[in-house]
Amino acid sequence: DQQVKQNSPSLSVQEGRISILNCDYTNSMFDYFLWYKKYPAEGPTFLISISSIKDKNEDGRFTVFLNKSAKHLSLHIVPSQPGDSAVYFCAAERTGNQFYFGTGTSLTVIP
Amino acid sequence: EAGVVQSPRYKIIEKKQPVAFWCNPISGHNTLYWYLQNLGQGPELLIRYENEEAVDDSQLPKDRFSAERLKGVDSTLKIQPAELGDSAVYLCASSEQGTSASVQYFGPGTRLTVT
Repeated sequence: DQQVKQNSPSLSVQEGRISILNCDYTNSMFDYFLWYKKYPAEGPTFLISISSIKDKNEDGRFTVFLNKSAKHLSLHIVPSQPGDSAVYFCAAERTGNQFYFGTGTSLTVIP
Repeated sequence: EAGVVQSPRYKIIEKKQPVAFWCNPISGHNTLYWYLQNLGQGPELLIRYENEEAVDDSQLPKDRFSAERLKGVDSTLKIQPAELGDSAVYLCASSEQGTSASVQYFGPGTRLTVT
């Protein structure tokens, strides 16, 4: 049972434009949501997180939006840069450090 | 500060052979995780340690997989015997105990190929 879903396996965006990566979840008990970025042959690295009691968190070019009623979150990258090309994983955490990862979205930023 | 260290980075073995992976977490991190990542999938938790105690091993296939973290620092994950379906990347991660959002820091992973 996939509790965190990323339905778009890939996304291509022109440099300078906005990248929007989407994530859906099924369990309303999740406390935190996180986005990780992964380059080939490396482990995932933490990018940004949001508590379930908030609806937006911003860090530089990265903003995460949470819509609890829709059980949906999204990551916005503005402006997109070629170095942002990577696989992005959405993750959700329940109290007790139980983590669930999505299947990832491969972002390609075209110069 | 050194990140999470894993070795080996790559391993090729024949089926039915044993294999072991090693992980050294970030200094001071009490929580250690082992994940399995298949191609095109997200990481899936195998086992989580709080210090030396395995607090969540519900997804660990205990007939062939075992793990230990004897002194609450580095950890070893073993497969015996390996099967073709075990070919995947094995990721180790660590986090500080009790921090909000529990950010996990991942190692580079060990890519296992079973032939």
